[in-house]
Amino acid sequence: AQSVTQLGSHVSVSEGALVLLRCNYSSSVPPYLFWYVQYPNQGLQLLLKYTTGATLVKGINGFEAEFKKSETSFHLTKPSAHMSDAAEYFCAVSPPNFRGGATNKLIFGTGTLLAVQP
Amino acid sequence: DTEVTQTPKHLVMGMTNKKSLKCEQHMGHRAMYWYKQKAKKPPELMFVYSYEKLSINESVPSRFSPECPNSSLLNLHLHALQPEDSALYLCASSQVGLAGRHTGELFFGEGSRLTVL
Repeated sequence: AQSVTQLGSHVSVSEGALVLLRCNYSSSVPPYLFWYVQYPNQGLQLLLKYTTGATLVKGINGFEAEFKKSETSFHLTKPSAHMSDAAEYFCAVSPPNFRGGATNKLIFGTGTLLAVQP
Repeated sequence: DTEVTQTPKHLVMGMTNKKSLKCEQHMGHRAMYWYKQKAKKPPELMFVYSYEKLSINESVPSRFSPECPNSSLLNLHLHALQPEDSALYLCASSQVGLAGRHTGELFFGEGSRLTVL
């Protein structure tokens, strides 16, 4: 069965510092991978996704993630944190559908709360 | 601005009340979802509708009753809820491509925060 592990439920960085949020998945076949962000009292918003092709994907707000099949990882990074990046970040996976594409059943990690210190 | 609109944003109800949560999207998406999210937890899938038909029910108690009147609307009818049902209820939608292929990319509303007294 698919599962997602996010190491570190809380991460704190200084403004301007590198952001690194870790995500590992378990799957016998490469899944579709996603990072979602949730700001306080809001729904989730897609940051970026990996389906096929280039393993380094760029998303909104300066975030990017690299799919590493050998490490079964999809870590999220941003070179320079901004105060507005403070939020909860969820990694999610979808196993590939036998018809192609993803399934309609995302599996979410437990989330990482990012705090940005001035 | 989110393109998935949920109403009401806040709802307080007693255990004997009947209420409904509503969700609307105008992106032409043919899959719609209800998720439940407790504080400091990831969203938990409750129901999925695909082409207005219920395709997934994650063993949700019958006091939650979903309805999809058309491709743009999704309702969640609530009856005889328990205090532990208090949570943020999130609606989401996604595209469905040829041969029923999903992109996995969900568009979420801002949620309805439910408190059961």
